[in-house]
Amino acid sequence: QVQLQESGPGLVKPSGTLSLTCAVSGGSISSSNWWSWIRQPPGKGLEWIGEIYHSGSTNYNPSLKSRVTISVDKSKNQFSLKLSSVTAADTAVYYCARGVGLWFGELSFNWFDPWGQGTLVTVSS
Amino acid sequence: DIQMTQSPSSLSASVGDRVTITCRASQSISSYLNWYQQKPGKAPKLLIYAASSLQSGVPSRFSGSGSGTDFTLTISSLQPEDFATYYCQQSYSTPFGFGQGTRLEIK
Repeated sequence: QVQLQESGPGLVKPSGTLSLTCAVSGGSISSSNWWSWIRQPPGKGLEWIGEIYHSGSTNYNPSLKSRVTISVDKSKNQFSLKLSSVTAADTAVYYCARGVGLWFGELSFNWFDPWGQGTLVTVSS
Repeated sequence: DIQMTQSPSSLSASVGDRVTITCRASQSISSYLNWYQQKPGKAPKLLIYAASSLQSGVPSRFSGSGSGTDFTLTISSLQPEDFATYYCQQSYSTPFGFGQGTRLEIK
């Protein structure tokens, strides 16, 4: 079964760039799935950051779009997140997740499954 | 953006109780609604997709219903392992949004 694992620095300085990688195992990143980043500030709810397809097509949350870049490395079966100009408000657990889609008649539904275990990134000097 | 609102924000219940959590979308999202369960320190886990389809391996005491703007997650008989936080999520359009969560606590 597909498993996802986030990795990257746990501490980033204010105004710096947060960089994380999600390694995909048990399946190919070139399958017919979108791959997402989602974050959760401590004690708060979930926020979708953006997604990428293996072709390189991306969709971003407008609230973060000016600071976010998501990329894919098919040779390493992984995808990455870069978030620039970070502040304390960007402190969160960052999750990667696979977007799964299925057709029900003429409608295509999608959801996130599985998720990585998450990695805490703290923005502090 | 489509806003997702859950109610209640927290809920106390006992083992064996029937529990219902509500999720409302700010506009019609057809059946593009998913439910997740999150336990402390863990990643969310998919329970229900497309409003009412039970994910493989999820106990049948969980069920989902609704379409348009109003949705419910029902747990027919609470078990000790069900005490967690539950989130709804719309997949109708990007940016995909989540409800604020419902924390289910032991009474």
